[in-house]
Amino acid sequence: DIQMTQSPSSLSASVGDRVTITCRASQSIDTFLNWYQHKPGKAPKLLIYAASSLQSGVPSRFSGSGSGTDFTLTISSLQPEDFATYYCQQSYTTLYTFGQGTKLEIK
Amino acid sequence: QLQLQESGPGLVKPSETLSLTCTVSGGSISSSRDYWGWIRQPPGKGLEWIGSIYYTGSTYYNPSLKSRVILSVDTSNNQFSLKLSSVTAADTAVYYCARREGLVGTGVDSWGQGTLVTVSA
Repeated sequence: DIQMTQSPSSLSASVGDRVTITCRASQSIDTFLNWYQHKPGKAPKLLIYAASSLQSGVPSRFSGSGSGTDFTLTISSLQPEDFATYYCQQSYTTLYTFGQGTKLEIK
Repeated sequence: QLQLQESGPGLVKPSETLSLTCTVSGGSISSSRDYWGWIRQPPGKGLEWIGSIYYTGSTYYNPSLKSRVILSVDTSNNQFSLKLSSVTAADTAVYYCARREGLVGTGVDSWGQGTLVTVSA
């Protein structure tokens, strides 16, 4: 299995801050990397696919970059509704695997 | 708009079989692009892919669960199902059904709301 490692595991930030979350794959996955936002009691929401493509309806303050083994998710200016847990996920193999999550909390 | 809804018992006894069904509405489960899958999240833990199924019945299982999992599809009722046998407390989780447009290279863009299954006597 391809292992996905996110950092940090948790992060405190304020409304308006710029935030970056990183994700590393245990082997090269080209750009087969997706990002999700997950709020308690709700289904995960696809934000970014293919490392840098914004899913329809997702605000432009979210962006993704990277290729190979190292990827980042950036939120340019945090809004109150952005406080959630974020997961990266590789789609390079038929067995999709997720990072352990980054919990973004209000400072 | 595609909608997915999980259904099934919320409580299962240890050593028994967990059975869940996902009903798809707003689209056809027989779409040639789509693969249907199950994902779970134990309390306080991350997301784990259980397996995927195509409308033809082709299946792709997580090796760590393969010996206990069976996925099936019912195209006439636009449903697919999960059976997980010999459950233990470690199988307590929120179970999501989901759709991905392709076997590799795509995101999971449609999810059910999730259903909590507790394994307990």
